[in-house]
Amino acid sequence: AQSVTQLGSHVSVSEGALVLLRCNYSSSVPPYLFWYVQYPNQGLQLLLKYTSAATLVKGINGFEAEFKKSETSFHLTKPSAHMSDAAEYFCAVSAPLYNFNKFYFGSGTKLNVKP
Amino acid sequence: EAGVTQFPSHSVIEKGQTVTLRCDPISGHDNLYWYRRVMGKEIKFLLHFVKESKQDESGMPNNRFLAERTGGTYSTLKVQPAELEDSGVYFCASSQKLAGSYEQYFGPGTRLTVT
Repeated sequence: AQSVTQLGSHVSVSEGALVLLRCNYSSSVPPYLFWYVQYPNQGLQLLLKYTSAATLVKGINGFEAEFKKSETSFHLTKPSAHMSDAAEYFCAVSAPLYNFNKFYFGSGTKLNVKP
Repeated sequence: EAGVTQFPSHSVIEKGQTVTLRCDPISGHDNLYWYRRVMGKEIKFLLHFVKESKQDESGMPNNRFLAERTGGTYSTLKVQPAELEDSGVYFCASSQKLAGSYEQYFGPGTRLTVT
């Protein structure tokens, strides 16, 4: 079975500061991992994905995430926050080779960026 | 290319009434998924269609929920009769059936409020 834990339902950073959003997963089979972002009144947009290639994954808008199997983590980072990064972020895990790519999501982290 | 669209964006109904949500996936996507987010919790899987066939409906809460995908194009999710605990945001997603892809493209969601 797969599950996702996102530590911190709300994270607040200052503009220009490092963004770190935490995601830990549980999976009995090799996982695929995703980060999605939801801006107000919009759908979920894919930021980046890990599908068993490089463990450091670069995504859109300057975000990146590192898959660490030993820590069962897939934390999302961005070196310098912009006001436009304020949104809700979701980590998701799937095991497409085993259960047809059903996604398991974390409960989300709302990022607030202070001027 | 048009994204995943959902209708309506918001729906407010009374307990005991019926509501039908519609999802139009990205053209050519065989896979269609329904998810639900209740009260700021995690986004949970409801079911998965491959073309017009239900591949996995393990997440459907009970028999008050009926999903269809006639002709393998758009899908509807009917809740009859609605209960208070059905309130939440219902997301639809679609994906291609291509090896190495696996990401799901999400719609903006339908916010359902049952009073």
